[in-house]
Amino acid sequence: DTGVSQDPRHKITKRGQNVTFRCDPISEHNRLYWYRQTLGQGPEFLTYFQNEAQLEKSRLLSDRFSAERPKGSFSTLEIQRTEQGDSAMYLCASSLSGLTRFDEQFFGPGTRLTVL
Amino acid sequence: AQKVTQAQTEISVVEKEDVTLDCVYETRDTTYYLFWYKQPPSGELVFLIRRNSFDEQNEISGRYSWNFQKSTSSFNFTITASQVVDSAVYFCALSEAEAAGNKLTFGGGTRVLVKP
Repeated sequence: DTGVSQDPRHKITKRGQNVTFRCDPISEHNRLYWYRQTLGQGPEFLTYFQNEAQLEKSRLLSDRFSAERPKGSFSTLEIQRTEQGDSAMYLCASSLSGLTRFDEQFFGPGTRLTVL
Repeated sequence: AQKVTQAQTEISVVEKEDVTLDCVYETRDTTYYLFWYKQPPSGELVFLIRRNSFDEQNEISGRYSWNFQKSTSSFNFTITASQVVDSAVYFCALSEAEAAGNKLTFGGGTRVLVKP
């Protein structure tokens, strides 16, 4: 059983460019989460999916950010018109959750974004 | 609103010393979950423990132990006989009950440096 994978691991871009990150969760995990971690801070919740439905978005997620999980498997996070303040580690996590069960979130290695 | 505070930003110990990491949380929910994650230099968050709000029994796992005290809203973590491999950033996190999506609210982390 493979863990959560993220691609790319590192991305350097110029301000104003668009970037897209991919997350592949653990197979059969129905929940997928995106978090952002800036240097020296704890991760902050951005959004999550239950299967293909995006159920919650943080206020941190401005209109330049969009996330999708089209078939309930992998997910993409796109940032349009990047700003230097977007520089951070973007973490993806997945979990298997149901009505009577709660499970821990397994995290991927993250994508480190640097906006010049 | 949920909040997790890790007052210690960095702790330095010599190998074989014990180290205790403090975590204080705030929540209005009566059902919640508490977690500890380890983030080694490689960057990937590693799950260590989950506790639900109805289970105040302390837990020991090898050199790790956790002390959950609901009366003081604290969930402290002790590493006994520390080793160099324990050097990492440790995060305490809080999650709402199942219906709210289980998103995690992290503390700011405590960096542990174990010197040989």
